[in-house]
Amino acid sequence: KNEVEQSPQNLTAQEGEFITINCSYSVGISALHWLQQHPGGGIVSLFMLSSGKKKHGRLIATINIQEKHSSLHITASHPRDSAVYICAVREEGNEKLTFGTGTRLTIIP
Amino acid sequence: KAGVTQTPRYLIKTRGQQVTLSCSPISGHRSVSWYQQTPGQGLQFLFEYFSETQRNKGNFPGRFSGRQFSNSRSEMNVSTLELGDSALYLCASSLEALRPYEQYFGPGTRLTVT
Repeated sequence: KNEVEQSPQNLTAQEGEFITINCSYSVGISALHWLQQHPGGGIVSLFMLSSGKKKHGRLIATINIQEKHSSLHITASHPRDSAVYICAVREEGNEKLTFGTGTRLTIIP
Repeated sequence: KAGVTQTPRYLIKTRGQQVTLSCSPISGHRSVSWYQQTPGQGLQFLFEYFSETQRNKGNFPGRFSGRQFSNSRSEMNVSTLELGDSALYLCASSLEALRPYEQYFGPGTRLTVT
């Protein structure tokens, strides 16, 4: 069983829809990261969370430490949001980053 | 401020050869981490350097090695290349010495082993 599980693996939605991507993990963590990867490979760090909720523009990330669960929400989705979204956790103690397998999001105009 | 740069961007090597990849962090950043991304295994942590010292290491064979120079630039080396080493190699830099810290990723080096 992977230490970091993401769902769904693939998501296709119409422009304007509200998007939710989920991440569950099994280890103790010091932080959780949400990353965005566009075709071509470049990765952008969207959020780093250790508790609560963060918002940046149309993106919102939440984390529940007790339930070992995080969600990434995109409001008013747009075709330019099409990308792979990756959840990564920084393990408490060894501080290594462990990655989920990613969610491929496609927004149709 | 310039972002993280990686050279070369693309590389084709033959099995058994060795390869060296380079990463220049954002100016002022002293931590550099390396990651391997393959379709089968996804993203995996290779190693992390801070102030020229390896601070953390992933579960990769000894063929994978790295180093960091006094100007924080880092190199990783893979010896005796195998077909399975074909991957996108990403490096990321960060400013803070204390963890957890935000990381900034480079564009990656795509290595193909034939």
